Amino acid sequence: AQSVAQPEDQVNVAEGNPLTVKCTYSVSGNPYLFWYVQYPNRGLQFLLKYITGDNLVKGSYGFEAEFNKSQTSFHLKKPSALVSDSALYFCAVSANTGGFKTIFGAGTRLFVKA
Amino acid sequence: DGGITQSPKYLFRKEGQNVTLSCEQNLNHDAMYWYRQDPGQGLRLIYYSQIVNDFQKGDIAEGYSVSREKKESFPLTVTSAQKNPTAFYLCASSIPPNEQFFGPGTRLTVL
Repeated sequence: AQSVAQPEDQVNVAEGNPLTVKCTYSVSGNPYLFWYVQYPNRGLQFLLKYITGDNLVKGSYGFEAEFNKSQTSFHLKKPSALVSDSALYFCAVSANTGGFKTIFGAGTRLFVKA
Repeated sequence: DGGITQSPKYLFRKEGQNVTLSCEQNLNHDAMYWYRQDPGQGLRLIYYSQIVNDFQKGDIAEGYSVSREKKESFPLTVTSAQKNPTAFYLCASSIPPNEQFFGPGTRLTVL
């Protein structure tokens, strides 16, 4: 069965510092991995994805993530956090089984302090 | 939220009443999805459809129903059998295995 774990309910960083939001996954077969961001009372917005190719994936708003197959992780990173990055972040995984059903993590709330 | 619209933005349901949430997309995506979001629980899949006139139950389908008569539309009905429907409902579409595009959501409250 597929699963996604986001071990931190909340991450606090100071503006200008690097940020990391953690994600680990479990899936049969090759994983398709995604990060989304949600602002209050809004739908989710896509940030980046790993399907194949380079393990380091770059996405929107300066975010990047590294696919680590041995550790089954896909942590989201940004070199320098902005206050406007404060939001709820979701990691998601799907696989080529059961029609690419996607499983979402519980979400990590990021607070960036000025 | 471009390309997917959900209506209404806010919806209030009385006990024993069925209500229908609208979801329309103009992205020409084959797959569409309905999720329920509760605080601290992330997104849970209610129903999904990979093609017109076909849909499958997700993890929490009890008390919900859907139809997919047109590629662009995937309405969700919350029936009176759903005992705790107060939540934020999100519709999405995609071309699997690529990313999903989400609508702005409908917040349903039971009076």
